[in-house]
Amino acid sequence: NAGVMQNPRHLVRRRGQEARLRCSPMKGHSHVYWYRQLPEEGLKFMVYLQKENIIDESGMPKERFSAEFPKEGPSILRIQQVVRGDSAAYFCASSRDDTEAFFGQGTRLTVV
Amino acid sequence: QKEVEQNSGPLSVPEGAIASLNCTYSDRGSQSFFWYRQYSGKSPELIMSIYSNGDKEDGRFTAQLNKASQYVSLLIRDSQPSDSATYLCAVTGAAGNKLTFGGGTRVLVKP
Repeated sequence: NAGVMQNPRHLVRRRGQEARLRCSPMKGHSHVYWYRQLPEEGLKFMVYLQKENIIDESGMPKERFSAEFPKEGPSILRIQQVVRGDSAAYFCASSRDDTEAFFGQGTRLTVV
Repeated sequence: QKEVEQNSGPLSVPEGAIASLNCTYSDRGSQSFFWYRQYSGKSPELIMSIYSNGDKEDGRFTAQLNKASQYVSLLIRDSQPSDSATYLCAVTGAAGNKLTFGGGTRVLVKP
């Protein structure tokens, strides 16, 4: 029973490049959340998705950031034209419905 | 006002003592409440969930919920050095299922 899978675990991008972060939810889970965490800070909500729908993207910057959760395949968080301030840990969590959410191992993004 | 508030700590607790963590939330219609533990450099791990007023016990952990006061707490009995971590309170709101986290309370258990 695989948990939430995120890849890559570590990602290095140069300023101006695109970053693609992938999240495969636990089996049977149709809800996905993305969070960003800076060192020594809390989890900042970015976006909440269900299959093929964005439910709440109130925490996601309007520019350069997008997220999707297609009918087939993983959820993708895309950051275009990355800047140094995008360097952070990005965590994905999944849940079956509105109950317990479980986290993946995270993707550590470093922008150089 | 932050949606979910926690004291950032650190909360220093002697080994064997009880650690008491508090969390308040602003959305009166919140339905579900969770406590996560996060070790440095790791991802959050769910340790407790609570949905109705009162206490819920699981091993050395007890979660307490008071919806009237918009307050949820976590007690860690017989604290161990391995309990040293940041504890995150999370709440789902009335409008949809957005899961919002507090800033976390850092706990240090000293041998």
